[in-house]
Amino acid sequence: QVQLQESGPGLVKPSETLSLTCTVSGVSISTSSFYWGWIRQAPGKGLEWIGCSSYSGSTDYNPSLKIRVAISVDTSKNQFSLGLSSVTAADTAVYYCVRHNRFLEWFPDYWGQGTLVTVSS
Amino acid sequence: QSALTQPPSVSGSPGQSVTISCTGTSSDVGSYNRVSWYQQPPGTAPRLIIYEVKSRPSGVPDRFSGSRSGNTASLTISGLQAEDEADYYCSSYTTGSTLLYVFGTGTKVTVL
Repeated sequence: QVQLQESGPGLVKPSETLSLTCTVSGVSISTSSFYWGWIRQAPGKGLEWIGCSSYSGSTDYNPSLKIRVAISVDTSKNQFSLGLSSVTAADTAVYYCVRHNRFLEWFPDYWGQGTLVTVSS
Repeated sequence: QSALTQPPSVSGSPGQSVTISCTGTSSDVGSYNRVSWYQQPPGTAPRLIIYEVKSRPSGVPDRFSGSRSGNTASLTISGLQAEDEADYYCSSYTTGSTLLYVFGTGTKVTVL
């Protein structure tokens, strides 16, 4: 059974870097059939796509976040990570890690449970 | 890139049908099969219920159906049940100068 699980600090100070890791189980991350991505949801708001990466490191990012975002993949640990620099209160959100599926027109099919990250001093 | 446009809320009684619209552009919703729908009950992660405009992943009841006309996609829930009460989001993507996934503004479905 495919499962994704986010981990990382729940509180980040303004101007610092938010770092999250997603641990994948039930499927190898090292396949061209999937991309691995992040989506966030501010409290009471809608969904915002952050970006995604192939297992080989080919990335795509939301243009509105591109200068602050980095997504990397660690195939040895079957994990991938998100880095978001220079955070502000506007980055407070539930962050979901997701699997983009080639066989479903590349739409995310599996999602982690989500982790709330609050930006505050 | 703007969010796709959905009505804020729809409601219906058990057994009735409700339809949610999702309006985009010819670069996203109106392009190829680039439409999906997600169901998000309160306090949970979104769940994929429709992809490629009208296909259902395994395990999704056939009460959920998708369609598209031009740049507007629609999700219909037939035989509404109490467990269908949730937020619903459409999604699409563009592949112009860069890949970009966009989501709808979200629709709250209330079962009366």
